[in-house]
Amino acid sequence: EVQVLESGGGLAQPGGSLRLSCAASGFTFSNSAMSWVRQAPGKGLDWVSGISGNGGSTYYGDSVKGRFTISRDNSKNTLYLQMSSLRAEDTAVYYCVTHNGPMLTTGGRYWGQGTLVTVPS
Amino acid sequence: DIQMTQSPSSLSASVGDRVTITCRASQDISNFLAWFQQKPGKAPKSLIFAASSLQSGVPSKFSGSGSGTDFTLTISSLQPEDFATYYCQQYNSYPLTFGGGTKVEIK
Repeated sequence: EVQVLESGGGLAQPGGSLRLSCAASGFTFSNSAMSWVRQAPGKGLDWVSGISGNGGSTYYGDSVKGRFTISRDNSKNTLYLQMSSLRAEDTAVYYCVTHNGPMLTTGGRYWGQGTLVTVPS
Repeated sequence: DIQMTQSPSSLSASVGDRVTITCRASQDISNFLAWFQQKPGKAPKSLIFAASSLQSGVPSKFSGSGSGTDFTLTISSLQPEDFATYYCQQYNSYPLTFGGGTKVEIK
């Protein structure tokens, strides 16, 4: 059974930093691209960042480029999102999402339950 | 960036109704289109990938069609468990982008 479990969310100050983790199991982690998707309270889905299965390619949404860094450790089956220069508008539930293959152009598959990040204004 | 426009943004339907949601891309995305279902307080769930391929375990009452810029998600006979918000997403080019969502409510 595929499981993805996010952790690391919480309260962060404006301008501060936070690191999210996503522990994955039940599939060959290195064969799956991974994404972070967020959802602000009462709003729609917003793709934040993605990384290929081997970690060699990374991509970012316009609103987080230069502030967030995605990475993965395939030996630990873990995905990360390092968030810095946090803003109130980064407040959201952050979801970890597996993909159907090693590239992001294979579509999202399994979603974690999310971790809440709150940045007060 | 590719803009994804869903319509309608919300709809009211009855149990047993056939429901169709549309998604339009601002440029050609071939068939790199996915549909997700989200219920209140829950994580989204993948329904369809490659515009028309059903994810394993998803009931056949869900179907997707389209290519290029125009896509549809159809629920053949709406059931109580199908009342939710549905999102399309393009994954043809970066950044990946979602539609604004369609909330399906009980009439």
